[in-house]
Amino acid sequence: NAGVTQTPKFQVLKTGQSMTLQCAQDMNHEYMSWYRQDPGMGLRLIHYSVGAGITDQGEVPNGYNVSRSTTEDFPLRLLSAAPSQTSVYFCATWSAGFFQGQFFGPGTRLTVL
Amino acid sequence: QQPVQSPQAVILREGEDAVINCSSSKALYSVHWYRQKHGEAPVFLMILLKGGEQKGHEKISASFNEKKQQSSLYLTASQLSYSGTYFCGTENLNNDMRFGAGTRLTVKP
Repeated sequence: NAGVTQTPKFQVLKTGQSMTLQCAQDMNHEYMSWYRQDPGMGLRLIHYSVGAGITDQGEVPNGYNVSRSTTEDFPLRLLSAAPSQTSVYFCATWSAGFFQGQFFGPGTRLTVL
Repeated sequence: QQPVQSPQAVILREGEDAVINCSSSKALYSVHWYRQKHGEAPVFLMILLKGGEQKGHEKISASFNEKKQQSSLYLTASQLSYSGTYFCGTENLNNDMRFGAGTRLTVKP
């Protein structure tokens, strides 16, 4: 089992470009979420999903879109990249019924020039 | 609203104990604790549900005071491997998770 995978690991964008960060899980967890982590700071929730076809906004959703068409995948789209979106992005999954906490992917380090 | 963690940083010698606190101004469904090593993803330590129960994991345990909306993480007889940044995450009934800014723990020989 791969657990939670994220691609790419590193990405450099120019201001105004768009891109999609991929997140996939093989743990059959119904819940998935996206966080960003800025240097010296905690994790801030961008969007989350409680199941296929259902998404909701977190703390910092502006500039990002998500969709959840399958249980396994939860891509994060940056519509028009800005330098303020330079960060490390983590995808996480969890299952509500087992109280095991969230499993995090390895992260994507994004730099916007 | 993000929970507030204290202290921001702690330096220990091996074998010493530490307590990290987490407080929220909102009603909570659960509190999670995670540890993150530099350059790595956070790793789940434990979860506490409302009810004030105390969980244990090796020499790391935690408590949750529902009335005060506070949780504390207890690290006893610290080891070098305990070094890292500890985050508390608070979850409300809508599954909305918010993390504190973290507590950087350094354990020295």
